[in-house]
Amino acid sequence: DIQMTQSPSSLSASVGDRVTITCRASQNINKYLNWYQQKPGRAPRLLMSAASTLQSGVPSRFSGSGSGTDYTLTISNLQPEDFATYSCQQSYTTPWTFGQGTEVAVK
Amino acid sequence: ELQLVESGGGLVQPGGSLRLSCAASGISVSDSYLSWVRQAPGKGLEWVSVIRSGGTTSHADSVTGRFIISRDNYKNTVYLQMNNLRPEDTAVYYCARLEPFPYFMFDSWGQGSLVTVSS
Repeated sequence: DIQMTQSPSSLSASVGDRVTITCRASQNINKYLNWYQQKPGRAPRLLMSAASTLQSGVPSRFSGSGSGTDYTLTISNLQPEDFATYSCQQSYTTPWTFGQGTEVAVK
Repeated sequence: ELQLVESGGGLVQPGGSLRLSCAASGISVSDSYLSWVRQAPGKGLEWVSVIRSGGTTSHADSVTGRFIISRDNYKNTVYLQMNNLRPEDTAVYYCARLEPFPYFMFDSWGQGSLVTVSS
């Protein structure tokens, strides 16, 4: 199975900050990398697919990059509604696997 | 509008069985890839099972031989039959549509159904 490791596990930030979350795969996943946002008690929401393609309705302050085994999610100008947990997921091969999540909390 | 509504969760003893349902609207389950993804308390997401539009299924190793995913095209509903449940199966179980093209992604989710396995 492909292991997905996110860092950090949690971070504290303020409104207006730029936040970067890293996701590393245990093998090359050729940009088959999706990002999700999840708020407490809610279902995940797909933010981005193919490492950098924003889903409809997702603000442009979210961006993604990466290739091979290393990927990043960046939130520029953090907004109050962005405090949540973010998870990466590889879709390169089954079993589809997720990172453990990164909690973005209020500083 | 696509909507997925799970039901059937609850408290069950170790070794017991439970069947989750996922009623879909806005899509036809027969034309879709639908999956179950679970999240144990305070943990990350874990893919469990998928049923593809052609009817083939796959399961995670952790549930193979115990869980079965199926669908009823007339009721437009997907099911997860869970047998021989273990405490480590305790989780919120989400039904999610898996969009296979061009990149497999879980693009719509239900609200989740809590399964608690405990004596």
